[in-house]
Amino acid sequence: AQKITQTQPGMFVQEKEAVTLDCTYDTSDPSYGLFWYKQPSSGEMIFLIYQGSYDQQNATEGRYSLNFQKARKSANLVISASQLGDSAMYFCAMREPLQGGSEKLVFGKGTKLTVNP
Amino acid sequence: DVKVTQSSRYLVKRTGEKVFLECVQDMDHENMFWYRQDPGLGLRLIYFSYDVKMKEKGDIPEGYSVSREKKERFSLILESASTNQTSMYLCASSPSTGFRAETQYFGPGTRLLVL
Repeated sequence: AQKITQTQPGMFVQEKEAVTLDCTYDTSDPSYGLFWYKQPSSGEMIFLIYQGSYDQQNATEGRYSLNFQKARKSANLVISASQLGDSAMYFCAMREPLQGGSEKLVFGKGTKLTVNP
Repeated sequence: DVKVTQSSRYLVKRTGEKVFLECVQDMDHENMFWYRQDPGLGLRLIYFSYDVKMKEKGDIPEGYSVSREKKERFSLILESASTNQTSMYLCASSPSTGFRAETQYFGPGTRLLVL
């Protein structure tokens, strides 16, 4: 079964600086997908970025980029130019196939990011 | 724009009550999921459904049941609520495989307190 590990319970960053949130994973499947979600205090899980195991390049979406190191089984999220609105919980997740062609997401325990002014 | 809605943001119930949590998505997604989220435990899958009237147990189905009579609606039922079911409940939907990202889209969550 897939496993996601986020070792940083909390992180602090100054506004306008970059921050890296760590995520390591464990899987025996050659094909897999990794996701990052943001959860503000309001509770909704917001999809940020996706990386497929066969993608040749690291995924980027605006200020979010994924530092994907396949050999190390890590998929760290990099947020550039942090903003106060980036303060939230961040979850790394991995796709796990289920019967019927569906999937579930296996989540890490999350990292709470606080952006200081 | 994908939209997943949940019937309540906050809910307070008494032990032993039957509780219904409703989830509706408007993107014609085949797959729907119910998770619960607890501090320090992350998100755990309760039940999922990959088609109308189909349901499958997730990792922690005990004490819960689900219903999917229509494609857009997935209901989570607590047959007899207990205090250990106090939690944040998140509904999600996704298209069937074949889409590249297969991203799950989440609703705003329901914070349930069982007294």
